[in-house]
Amino acid sequence: AQSVAQPEDQVNVAEGNPLTVKCTYSVSGNPYLFWYVQYPNRGLQFLLKYITGDNLVKGSYGFEAEFNKSQTSFHLKKPSALVSDSALYFCAVLPSGGYNKLIFGAGTRLAVHP
Amino acid sequence: SQTIHQWPATLVQPVGSPLSLECTVEGTSNPNLYWYRQAAGRGLQLLFYSVGIGQISSEVPQNLSASRPQDRQFILSSKKLLLSDSGFYLCAWVGGLAGYSTDTQYFGPGTRLTVL
Repeated sequence: AQSVAQPEDQVNVAEGNPLTVKCTYSVSGNPYLFWYVQYPNRGLQFLLKYITGDNLVKGSYGFEAEFNKSQTSFHLKKPSALVSDSALYFCAVLPSGGYNKLIFGAGTRLAVHP
Repeated sequence: SQTIHQWPATLVQPVGSPLSLECTVEGTSNPNLYWYRQAAGRGLQLLFYSVGIGQISSEVPQNLSASRPQDRQFILSSKKLLLSDSGFYLCAWVGGLAGYSTDTQYFGPGTRLTVL
């Protein structure tokens, strides 16, 4: 079965430190990979995606993600965390095929402490 | 400006009452449309998706139904709400519009439903 794993329910980081939110996937073929962020009582906001090309993808708000095909991972990173980055982060995978049906991870809550 | 709209933003309904949530998208034609439910501020469950007017696919058998009466309108309904229907309902779209990718889902602001 196709799946996306976000192994950490919560990640705690001090402001100014680098952050990593992990994502691994089990999907056949060459899927598209996405990261979304959700603030309380809001819809999901698209951060970045990987389709092909350079393994390091840059997105909104200073976030980037590194694609590793051999490890089937797509970890989200930021060099210097802000308190305002505190939110719920979702990794998602779009398998090859129709209808743009995403497979989501369970989400990781990021808490950035002053 | 907001491209996708959902209303109402919040709703409190008694068990057994009907439900109608609406989602509309602006500025694009023939988008794919999706309804998700998010329980307890966590994972997303895909409920329905639609690739065109009158075309609805159900992902999970349940107390809910969906309809797409117009190209850019997607409605989520129930005849009788259950306590377990409480949650945060999100609509999403994929389609062609300047500034938006055709391979990315974009989400609406959501509707918070509480069933008492």
